[in-house]
Amino acid sequence: DTGVSQNPRHKITKRGQNVTFRCDPISEHNRLYWYRQTLGQGPEFLTYFQNEAQLEKSRLLSDRFSAERPKGSFSTLEIQRTEQGDSAMYLCASSMGTGNGYTFGSGTRLTVV
Amino acid sequence: GENVGLHLPTLSVQEGDNSIINCAYSNSASDYFIWYKQESGKGPQFIIDIRSNMDKRQGQRVTVLLNKTVKHLSLQIAATQPGDSAVYFCAEKSSGPVSFGTGTRLQVFP
Repeated sequence: DTGVSQNPRHKITKRGQNVTFRCDPISEHNRLYWYRQTLGQGPEFLTYFQNEAQLEKSRLLSDRFSAERPKGSFSTLEIQRTEQGDSAMYLCASSMGTGNGYTFGSGTRLTVV
Repeated sequence: GENVGLHLPTLSVQEGDNSIINCAYSNSASDYFIWYKQESGKGPQFIIDIRSNMDKRQGQRVTVLLNKTVKHLSLQIAATQPGDSAVYFCAEKSSGPVSFGTGTRLQVFP
């Protein structure tokens, strides 16, 4: 297993455009998490899935954000009508069950111009 | 990762010395704590964890101490090496997802 994989690594988009990121978790992990990280800050929780079910969404996840995990394997995070404030590193993590440390991917760095 | 923060607390240590990174957490219901290391351009990397029924746990060159009375967590790194240079985050968990604290930048100089 190569760990948690995120694509693309970098994305530059114009304000107002839609973007989609992909995360491939560790195959035996049933939980998948999305976090956002801005300069100088710790990662902030966005949402998580257990298998294909989205169990919790943060207040940070506005209606322009949507995440899916259709078959309980990979996940996508879509941001519609991007704004400059969406510029951040978007991190994906996975874990087996609860009460365990997460394994993070290297993130997708989004820059909205 | 986005760890090039100009205002992060910074700990500078000489190679070979021991490092202690401190963290205060806020949620008294948290029962699981983790330390992560984040290098530039990478996601957080798990270092060591501890559950609330313990007050100390040791790994390879790292030790985590938990003081639930004052809600304080520390990470001790023995014989600090240049490769330890990174931003370190403490994280806590209760019933919900892991919540991260403010990072500390560790700089190791020769």
